[in-house]
Amino acid sequence: QKEVEQDPGPLSVPEGAIVSLNCTYSNSAFQYFMWYRQYSRKGPELLMYTYSSGNKEDGRFTAQVDKSSKYISLFIRDSQPSDSATYLCAMSGSARQLTFGSGTQLTVLP
Amino acid sequence: DTEVTQTPKHLVMGMTNKKSLKCEQHMGHRAMYWYKQKAKKPPELMFVYSYEKLSINESVPSRFSPECPNSSLLNLHLHALQPEDSALYLCASSLQFVPGNPGELFFGEGSRLTVL
Repeated sequence: QKEVEQDPGPLSVPEGAIVSLNCTYSNSAFQYFMWYRQYSRKGPELLMYTYSSGNKEDGRFTAQVDKSSKYISLFIRDSQPSDSATYLCAMSGSARQLTFGSGTQLTVLP
Repeated sequence: DTEVTQTPKHLVMGMTNKKSLKCEQHMGHRAMYWYKQKAKKPPELMFVYSYEKLSINESVPSRFSPECPNSSLLNLHLHALQPEDSALYLCASSLQFVPGNPGELFFGEGSRLTVL
């Protein structure tokens, strides 16, 4: 079993839809949870950074962490074609280095 | 300036060649990283430098040799690579290296390496 599981997609949604991206994990030592966005042929860029359980909102993006279920989510409201990218969850904690999920490829259709 | 600059963007090399990848940042970050990313896979950590000293080597084969000449520069020297080493090599930096708490990593656009 991988430490971090992420549905690779691909996921296609119409413009304006609410997108839900998810990861599950098995290592209870993880405390820091991140979402990175990676456009084709570019490096990843950090979208959201959260510590422990709870919600965090930034514009159209909301990150949720449920440590009891070992489950994290990223919601994108009013999705735009410019949101088309691969979304990588990542987590770390307790001296463990950053562990990435396999990434979900998202396409937002105009 | 919030950029991590990597050169070259593309590199093709034979198995007997010696080449280098370069990475530069001017954000005052004291931690720098090399990651390897194969197509449709997540980045995999190779090396971490903290304050110009090698802190982590994730059991990377010796045909990859990192070097951190100063706090702004990170090199990856390549020698006798194999075709399976073809990948996107990503450099990243962060304010500091704290094991278990990476903070925000700033990634470069990567160097796409093809080994023939």
